[in-house]
Amino acid sequence: DAMVIQNPRYQVTQFGKPVTLSCSQTLNHNVMYWYQQKSSQAPKLLFHYYDKDFNNEADTPDNFQSRRPNTSFCFLDIRSPGLGDAAMYLCATSKGYEQYFGPGTRLTVT
Amino acid sequence: SQQGEEDPQALSIQEGENATMNCSYKTSINNLQWYRQNSGRGLVHLILIRSNEREKHSGRLRVTLDTSKKSSSLLITASRAADTASYFCATDQAGTALIFGKGTTLSVSS
Repeated sequence: DAMVIQNPRYQVTQFGKPVTLSCSQTLNHNVMYWYQQKSSQAPKLLFHYYDKDFNNEADTPDNFQSRRPNTSFCFLDIRSPGLGDAAMYLCATSKGYEQYFGPGTRLTVT
Repeated sequence: SQQGEEDPQALSIQEGENATMNCSYKTSINNLQWYRQNSGRGLVHLILIRSNEREKHSGRLRVTLDTSKKSSSLLITASRAADTASYFCATDQAGTALIFGKGTTLSVSS
């Protein structure tokens, strides 16, 4: 089945230790998104790619970076995680208006 | 930035009852979408209603849109325990990024 896959599902990292979250899709959608969702809050868009064009939200901290080496894969790099970066990170794709989400990666920062 | 605000924040009902959630937003939209999120999981697209539509149905879901009041409602009829989840409305922004509301947490007990 066509889908959006996120790895790992759970990630524990230490304060200040770089971490990379990955997302892959078999939908062949041209747009990919990264959202941050904290407990009981709305998903917050960090950035998105339209094909290879990168679009950063104005309030996304510089600590967050992203790479999209090809259509299928997208990575979220957190260069120096702080305790406030503990959250669920959601990857999504779209070709039209509807977005397709992966199951998320829950990041814990110790 | 525009944002959907759901009301109520939490809703508890019995199986078989109907559940109604409301969403208000601030600026003109192209479309409004509703998503469901089961605990600790990614979001699942439920339904999209375009700005020129007033009502839309999908199975047990009925969505209305009142652009003059900048509001939408999601009605789930004959609720089941499996409907227990958080429900988010999302409005489009520049046709690509979605802005999510804070969500309504629905609990359906048997």
